[in-house]
Amino acid sequence: TQLLEQSPQFLSIQEGENLTVYCNSSSVFSSLQWYRQEPGEGPVLLVTVVTGGEVKKLKRLTFQFGDARKDSSLHITAAQPGDTGLYLCAGARNRDDKIIFGKGTRLHILP
Amino acid sequence: KAGVTQTPRYLIKTRGQQVTLSCSPISGHRSVSWYQQTPGQGLQFLFEYFSETQRNKGNFPGRFSGRQFSNSRSEMNVSTLELGDSALYLCASSPGHSGGNQPQHFGDGTRLSIL
Repeated sequence: TQLLEQSPQFLSIQEGENLTVYCNSSSVFSSLQWYRQEPGEGPVLLVTVVTGGEVKKLKRLTFQFGDARKDSSLHITAAQPGDTGLYLCAGARNRDDKIIFGKGTRLHILP
Repeated sequence: KAGVTQTPRYLIKTRGQQVTLSCSPISGHRSVSWYQQTPGQGLQFLFEYFSETQRNKGNFPGRFSGRQFSNSRSEMNVSTLELGDSALYLCASSPGHSGGNQPQHFGDGTRLSIL
């Protein structure tokens, strides 16, 4: 059983379109992180959300942490080919717990 | 500031052999975590070391082991290799214990292939 479920698994859209990917759990997390991984490289941290209901923006990317701290979403506005990659969510249920990763959403933006 | 360095980048082994992978964290980072990444299972946590002590362990068999040195560099060892051990092994460092809000800085991984 995957503790963090990401959806969709794959997404291929045209440049300029908007999209949202999701990270869901039945457990409460003290924080959630989003990473992007490109082929041949390790994941790179995009953002950490800590407070329930928190919204963070990173240029065209908007991250939201659910009120109950069980889910998160990533919304990309006007997607560009450079957004292509594997988007991973990760979290720890408490301060001493290991960090758990979802299986990721593989995003492909067509020029 | 140099990032996390993993060596080697690629490795080919045969079943039954053993392998040691190395990770040099970002200078000043005391926590090193190891992950196995496969297409089917995604990123799975192996273990975390903090100040030379194992702080957390994932659900992997005892063939997978690790250690951390006083300079925070870490190694992981896999003995009696199996075909299913073929994966990308990623190391991540963070300033403190990796639970909670600590951001993890990943290396580019070691791609291990078992023949």
